[in-house]
Amino acid sequence: VHLVQSGAEVKKPGESLKLSCQGSGYSFNTYWIAWVRQMPGKGLEWMGIIYPFDSDAKYSPSFQGQVTISVDRSIRTAYLQWSSLKASDSAMYYCARLAAAGSLVSSFQHWGQGTLVTVSS
Amino acid sequence: DIQMTQSPSSQSASVGDRVTITCQASQDITNYLNWYQQKPGKAPKLLIYDASNLETGVPSRFSGSGSGTNFTFTISSLQPEDVATYYCQQCNSLPLTFGPGTKVHLK
Repeated sequence: VHLVQSGAEVKKPGESLKLSCQGSGYSFNTYWIAWVRQMPGKGLEWMGIIYPFDSDAKYSPSFQGQVTISVDRSIRTAYLQWSSLKASDSAMYYCARLAAAGSLVSSFQHWGQGTLVTVSS
Repeated sequence: DIQMTQSPSSQSASVGDRVTITCQASQDITNYLNWYQQKPGKAPKLLIYDASNLETGVPSRFSGSGSGTNFTFTISSLQPEDVATYYCQQCNSLPLTFGPGTKVHLK
């Protein structure tokens, strides 16, 4: 199982951004994929999660309305996007696949390498 | 939302020492508790799932126990490569939540 994330980004406030996470080595459609934020020097925060089979997405209340999680099953890729970035969005973002097929009650078993986002004017 | 607390926030120990970290959930999460290790500049790594199950390939010096609201993570004999931050995480219900982390470093 591999999750490969897109490269580091440097953006200005107000710009849009879409991060990607491509899965391989497993049945992509049947495992939930989550996004986790880590601000500089801080802990891990769950942002949301998506089930590729039917694109069912669920969000943390802290991130609901701030980001959009989507998936393209044809290229085995999950996305995290912003329509208008803020400086406070500067962080490392990880995608992670849950351990159990079809189940939300499961650990983050596999992780991407992370994408560093810097938002600065 | 289920709040997760960890203690201590930081721990200093010598090679060979036993290290214990506790994690408390704000409500009953049965055994839906996982532990992760994160080394500087790296992605987190799953060590323990469902409170006490060792992930494949993880050294047996790592262990977990507990149920309900109180959980414990133990390194039986600290090794230099165990210097990291350790997080607990509940997967009982959404939103999924992590503890604030415990930083383990060598004396």
